[in-house]
Amino acid sequence: EDQVTQSPEALRLQEGESSSLNCSYTVSGLRGLFWYRQDPGKGPEFLFTLYSAGEEKEKERLKATLTKKESFLHITAPKPEDSATYLCAVQGGDSGGSNYKLTFGKGTLLTVNP
Amino acid sequence: DGGITQSPKYLFRKEGQNVTLSCEQNLNHDAMYWYRQDPGQGLRLIYYSQIVNDFQKGDIAEGYSVSREKKESFPLTVTSAQKNPTAFYLCASSLQGVNTEAFFGQGTRLTVV
Repeated sequence: EDQVTQSPEALRLQEGESSSLNCSYTVSGLRGLFWYRQDPGKGPEFLFTLYSAGEEKEKERLKATLTKKESFLHITAPKPEDSATYLCAVQGGDSGGSNYKLTFGKGTLLTVNP
Repeated sequence: DGGITQSPKYLFRKEGQNVTLSCEQNLNHDAMYWYRQDPGQGLRLIYYSQIVNDFQKGDIAEGYSVSREKKESFPLTVTSAQKNPTAFYLCASSLQGVNTEAFFGQGTRLTVV
């Protein structure tokens, strides 16, 4: 069974204070690792897809990286508007025919204070 | 604008009633999904559909039913058999095939009163 663990559960930063969120996973044949941002009361917003170890993707102040066991979401010089819950999900290759199933972590609640 | 529309945004249900949550997409996606989100828990898959007239149970399908009569629509019925239906429900869609990201609607918050 695919598993995703995100840490920390909550992170509070000062504006401009860079940090990283972690997503550890176990999956039988990784097909894709996905990062989403979710604001309170809203649906998740897609950020990145990573497919293989060593891959990196960037978007504004966010950079996602991938190893064989974990992914990091690096936040450089965050702003208050970056405050949200960040979700990580994996799609495995051996899920009993459920080839489209995403397994989500519980998320990291990021708060950036001005 | 292309996207996924869920309605209603808020829904109140009396115990013993069935309710149906609407999900419509105009992204021309083949695959659609329903997830449930509870405080402190990750999203959990209820049902998913890869093509019209076909759907499969996810991890927590008991007490729920779906239909997929049109490519654009994937309604979810929460039946009276669902013992703890109060939650935030999210619909998503993606292109068919693996390695494709899913896009989500804005959710429906269901409360049992």
